[in-house]
Amino acid sequence: GENVEQHPSTLSVQEGDSAVIKCTYSDSASNYFPWYKQELGKRPQLIIDIRSNVGEKKDQRIAVTLNKTAKHFSLHITETQPEDSAVYFCAAIINQGGKLIFGQGTELSVKP
Amino acid sequence: GAVVSQHPSWVICKSGTSVKIECRSLDFQATTMFWYRQFPKQSLMLMATSNEGSKATYEQGVEKDKFLINHASLTLSTLTVTSAHPEDSSFYICSAPQFSRNEQFFGPGTRLTVL
Repeated sequence: GENVEQHPSTLSVQEGDSAVIKCTYSDSASNYFPWYKQELGKRPQLIIDIRSNVGEKKDQRIAVTLNKTAKHFSLHITETQPEDSAVYFCAAIINQGGKLIFGQGTELSVKP
Repeated sequence: GAVVSQHPSWVICKSGTSVKIECRSLDFQATTMFWYRQFPKQSLMLMATSNEGSKATYEQGVEKDKFLINHASLTLSTLTVTSAHPEDSSFYICSAPQFSRNEQFFGPGTRLTVL
């Protein structure tokens, strides 16, 4: 089955700096890669996603890149703000609407 | 937007009792729902896929007789933790895909504490 590896497990940056979180997946059939932000005790919230037919997607300060050949994808947050502090999860899915397999999570801390 | 609710939001029970958690899609039909478990400072681990009108599909290592899943309608799936023990204490989250939006929607989660 699919396996998703995520690094780093913790990331601390200064406000205004960029943050990068990387994930790799094992199943080449995976075709949808969402990223979630989860605050303590709350549900994961989708922040950006990318499909396998696209190499990069950007939404304001957040961008995601996908390298299908290497089977890895990354989340980039620019101009980080303290409110970006949370746990971020990558995930992979084979069929849209199918089951999500999550990475281990990255606890991002943005220091003012 | 699509909304998924869960009830209860938290529950405390004694060891050996059973607890039922409900997951509802409020404004769309969900023939499939997913149940996840999340221990503190860990990721969401898929427990099972709930299928409307048929048996649930459990992930490897998840005891189907302990975690009973029923998906009796297109908007409701229930997870019953039977004979709960302290090690079952966790955050249980359901999700439902809305195919028209190519997105999955998560419930707010249920915090289960077994004493």
